Amino acid sequence: EVQLVESGGGLVKPGGSLRLSCAAFGFTFSDYSMTWVRQAPGKGLEWVSSISSSSTYIYYADSVKGRFTISRDNAKKSLYLQMNSLRAEDTAVYYCAREKQSGAAVDYWGQGILVTVSS
Amino acid sequence: DIVMTQSPDSLAVSLGERATINCKSSQSVVYSSNNKNYLGWYQQKPGQPPKLLIYWASTRESGVPDRFSGSGSGTDFTLTISSLQAEDVAVYFCHQYHSTPLTFGGGTRVEIK
Repeated sequence: EVQLVESGGGLVKPGGSLRLSCAAFGFTFSDYSMTWVRQAPGKGLEWVSSISSSSTYIYYADSVKGRFTISRDNAKKSLYLQMNSLRAEDTAVYYCAREKQSGAAVDYWGQGILVTVSS
Repeated sequence: DIVMTQSPDSLAVSLGERATINCKSSQSVVYSSNNKNYLGWYQQKPGQPPKLLIYWASTRESGVPDRFSGSGSGTDFTLTISSLQAEDVAVYFCHQYHSTPLTFGGGTRVEIK
């Protein structure tokens, strides 16, 4: 069974940093591109960043470019999101998600982890 | 950026009746190289992550009931629930994965009338 489990969220002050992790289970992690999507409380879905299976291709939303860094460790079957210079508008549930195939729809999502940026 | 516009924002449908959700993209989401529409539909229930229903605009994900169907091409797409069930109460999002930044529609809330 495919499972994605996020960790590392919490409360952080504006300007602070957090590192989200996503552990993958039940599939060959190194075969899939992965994505982070966030959802502010009561709002819609916002794509944050994607990374190809071997980390060759990396993409970011303009809203996080230069502040967030996506990475992966295929040996550890893990996806990461390093978030620096956090702002109040980064407050959201962050979902780790798997692309069905490279360049295709996201098919599996983690349960999400809440990041709150507040003083 | 490709802007995804959904309509309506919400709709109330009687049990067993049809629900129709529309999604319009600001640019075509078809790749000429493979003639595929890079468009998906998701269902999200409160406190849960989104669930993939439809991809390539009209391909039903494994395990999704056949009352859910997707149609359309280019810039205009539709998600249809042919006979609404109580468990279908949720917010539905369309999503283009044609090009970055990947974008989602604003969501349509489906309720029981």
